[in-house]
Amino acid sequence: DIQVTQSPSALSASVGDRVTITCRASQGISNSVAWFQQKPGKVPKRLIYGAFNLQSGVPSRFSGSGSGTEFTLTISSLQPEDFATYYCLQHNSYPPAFGQGTKVEI
Amino acid sequence: EVQLVESGGGLVKPGGSLRLSCAGSGFTFSDYTMTWVRQAPGMGLEWVSAIDKSSTYIYYADSLRGRFTISRDNAENSLYLHINNLSAEDTAVYYCARGTLHETAAYLDIWGQGTMVTVSS
Repeated sequence: DIQVTQSPSALSASVGDRVTITCRASQGISNSVAWFQQKPGKVPKRLIYGAFNLQSGVPSRFSGSGSGTEFTLTISSLQPEDFATYYCLQHNSYPPAFGQGTKVEI
Repeated sequence: EVQLVESGGGLVKPGGSLRLSCAGSGFTFSDYTMTWVRQAPGMGLEWVSAIDKSSTYIYYADSLRGRFTISRDNAENSLYLHINNLSAEDTAVYYCARGTLHETAAYLDIWGQGTMVTVSS
């Protein structure tokens, strides 16, 4: 099975900051990575698919990059509504695996 | 509107069983592999199981194999998850989501609102 390691597990940031979250896969997964945002008590929302494609309706301050085994989610200028937990997901092969999550807080 | 609606959660005693349902609408249900994901209180997301369009291919998380059974009824646009021998570790919100593994653009793009399963005596 392919393992996914997401870092950091939590970070403190301020409005306007640039934030970067990383996921590493235990083996190459092409660009089969999605990123999700989840706010407390809410359903996960997909932000990025195919490693770098922005989901319709998602602000352009969110971007994804990477291929192979290392992937990054970047928020270029953190907004108040971005404080949430973020998860990566590898879906190159079964079983898919979520990262452990990154809680972005003030 | 594309929508998934889960039901069937509730309070169950340890050792009991439960069947969760997920109803799809607003899209051609039979065109998609369907997936269950769960989230224990305060914890991260855990992929549980998936079933392909025609129920030919079925996948489970290794740690859950044996107690979980996924199925679907395309005529009813419905997905199911039957869980046996429930334990406290199965307490979680269970989400259904659509998407075929390598069809990247649509993979897990739509989720239901989730149904809570609580296992307690």
